[in-house]
Amino acid sequence: AQKVTQAQTEISVVEKEDVTLDCVYETRDTTYYLFWYKQPPSGELVFLIRRNSFDEQNEISGRYSWNFQKSTSSFNFTITASQVVDSAVYFCALRGDFQGAQKLVFGQGTRLTINP
Amino acid sequence: DGGITQSPKYLFRKEGQNVTLSCEQNLNHDAMYWYRQDPGQGLRLIYYSQIVNDFQKGDIAEGYSVSREKKESFPLTVTSAQKNPTAFYLCASSILGTPYEQYFGPGTRLTVT
Repeated sequence: AQKVTQAQTEISVVEKEDVTLDCVYETRDTTYYLFWYKQPPSGELVFLIRRNSFDEQNEISGRYSWNFQKSTSSFNFTITASQVVDSAVYFCALRGDFQGAQKLVFGQGTRLTINP
Repeated sequence: DGGITQSPKYLFRKEGQNVTLSCEQNLNHDAMYWYRQDPGQGLRLIYYSQIVNDFQKGDIAEGYSVSREKKESFPLTVTSAQKNPTAFYLCASSILGTPYEQYFGPGTRLTVT
């Protein structure tokens, strides 16, 4: 069975602090895909990044960076110099290439609050 | 403007009534999905469709029905058999195939009293 765990239910930091959102996954598929989505108060999920299981390079996009470590089955997301607009619920998700090919399995989400 | 539209944003119904949630996409995506989100929880898959006139049950299909008569449209009916229908419903679409990310609509918040 596939599973995604986001152990941090809520995080609150002051603006300009760096913050890391943790994501741990379980899958038996040898090929799989990991995703991060942002859900602002409006409710719509916004796609942030996709990472393939065979590509362990970390990625940076502006203030956002992602650390993928197969050895620990983790795909953590760091926001540098956080801003109030980063306040949202963030979801990590997993999609397999065989057993779990038909759906995204989501974690419970982490509610991030950036205080001014 | 390409995207996914869901209407209405808020929907109120009395218990025992069926209600249909609309989902339309103009992204030319073959695959479409319906998810349910409850407060403080992740998304759970209700139904998905990879091609017109074909759809598959997800993890929590009981009490729901769908149709896929057109590529662009994937309406979801919440029937009176659904025991706890009050939730936030999100529609998504994607290019067919496992690597591809899903794009989501703005959601419909359904309240049944």
